[in-house]
Amino acid sequence: LAKTTQPISMDSYEGQEVNITCSHNNIATNDYITWYQQFPSQGPRFIIQGYKTKVTNEVASLFIPADRKSSTLSLPRVSLSDTAVYYCLVGAHGSSNTGKLIFGQGTTLQVKP
Amino acid sequence: DAGITQSPRHKVTETGTPVTLRCHQTENHRYMYWYRQDPGHGLRLIHYSYGVKDTDKGEVSDGYSVSRSKTEDFLLTLESATSSQTSVYFCATTDIGVGNTIYFGEGSWLTVV
Repeated sequence: LAKTTQPISMDSYEGQEVNITCSHNNIATNDYITWYQQFPSQGPRFIIQGYKTKVTNEVASLFIPADRKSSTLSLPRVSLSDTAVYYCLVGAHGSSNTGKLIFGQGTTLQVKP
Repeated sequence: DAGITQSPRHKVTETGTPVTLRCHQTENHRYMYWYRQDPGHGLRLIHYSYGVKDTDKGEVSDGYSVSRSKTEDFLLTLESATSSQTSVYFCATTDIGVGNTIYFGEGSWLTVV
């Protein structure tokens, strides 16, 4: 199981770009990297997922270097509503995988006006 | 969003009483999970299931048991609730296949007094 390490907290200001890095040194060949966002009193929700290089969607970008031992979630021009906890999760669900998924502590992002 | 329903959403119970939380899904997902979330600890895996009647322990399984007799239902039981089990409990599901994302329920707030 790939263990993940993220910063516990980050502060930013509205309009800035925020980059949150996650380390996963023992990532397996079949593992995907997925980021989730959680607001207070809600369940986490999917933001973005990738396997290698760069992935971009309407809310974020995900950068994964060639060795895949880390990944960086990039949030462009954050707003107050981006204040949340962000989790990096590494895992896969293949036919030979029992699907045990362990989350790290997550990164609490505080966006200030 | 995946159809995940947790019940009850809020419960107050007394120390020593049994408590059962239910997670119901309508997506026919193979994998189901129970996590607890406490301040400063992120999401911690209690138990998970990789099929009907197939379950395994997570990180913090002591004091908890689970059952999955049908694909759609995953029950978490606290045999004798303690104050340390006061927490928010999240159910999650995902399906087989590399790269599939996880869907979370809205949480069950349990207070043991």
